[in-house]
Amino acid sequence: QKEVEQNSGPLSVPEGAIASLNCTYSDRGSQSFFWYRQYSGKSPELIMFIYSNGDKEDGRFTAQLNKASQYVSLLIRDSQPSDSATYLCAGLPGSQGNLIFGKGTKLSVKP
Amino acid sequence: GAVVSQHPSRVICKSGTSVKIECRSLDFQATTMFWYRQFPKKSLMLMATSNEGSKATYEQGVEKDKFLINHASLTLSTLTVTSAHPEDSSFYICSASKDWGPQHFGDGTRLSIL
Repeated sequence: QKEVEQNSGPLSVPEGAIASLNCTYSDRGSQSFFWYRQYSGKSPELIMFIYSNGDKEDGRFTAQLNKASQYVSLLIRDSQPSDSATYLCAGLPGSQGNLIFGKGTKLSVKP
Repeated sequence: GAVVSQHPSRVICKSGTSVKIECRSLDFQATTMFWYRQFPKKSLMLMATSNEGSKATYEQGVEKDKFLINHASLTLSTLTVTSAHPEDSSFYICSASKDWGPQHFGDGTRLSIL
C-alpha cells in the first residue's frame, strides 16, 4: 500500500528559527511531491511542489527531495508565528492519479 | 492564478435535506476535480475523483447514491449530499487540477445537519 508518513508533532520552534518538516514515502514510483499548509478550520493551501532530486527554494521555504532515500522535507527559515499550522506532505504516484497525503505535522512557532 | 471557489462556505440544515456544494476553477480548466471530507483534527479523506464529462470514481466505503458528483464542465463540479443526516456533518473540501498538476483547494464547506 502506498503511504506517506509524517511525524504528527507538534513541532515547536521559537520565532526566527528554522523549522524542519520531514516526510517519507513508500512508493518508489512517486514522481512529484507537494507541501500544503492548513490553518485550523481552513482548507489546505499549496506552498511548494518538487519533482527533481535536490533543493527547491521559494522565499523562506525550501523543499528537499531525496528519491534514493524516499525522503522529502520542507524547511521554513525565519519562522513566524503566522507559520503555525499543520503542514501536509503529499506524493503523486506515477505521473498521474490521486495524491497520497500524509496525516500532517502540526507546527507551532512561539513568539 | 489557480483559484478555486467553493460555495457555500457553511450550511446548517435539517435532517433529510439534500445539500448541493459547488466547486469552480476560476482561472484555469480543471481536467480533474477531487472531493474530500475532513473531521475535526483528522486528516483529509478522499471521497471521489471526477473528470469532466465522466462518471466520478468513488473511494471504497463512499456511497455513490448518497454523495452525487457531477462534473459537467471543465470549470464546475458539484457534490450533492442526499437526504443528509447528522453523521454527514463534516468539512467538505474540493480541489481542482489541470492535467494531473498540483491540486488547488477551495475554501471548504462546513456542513452541519441538525
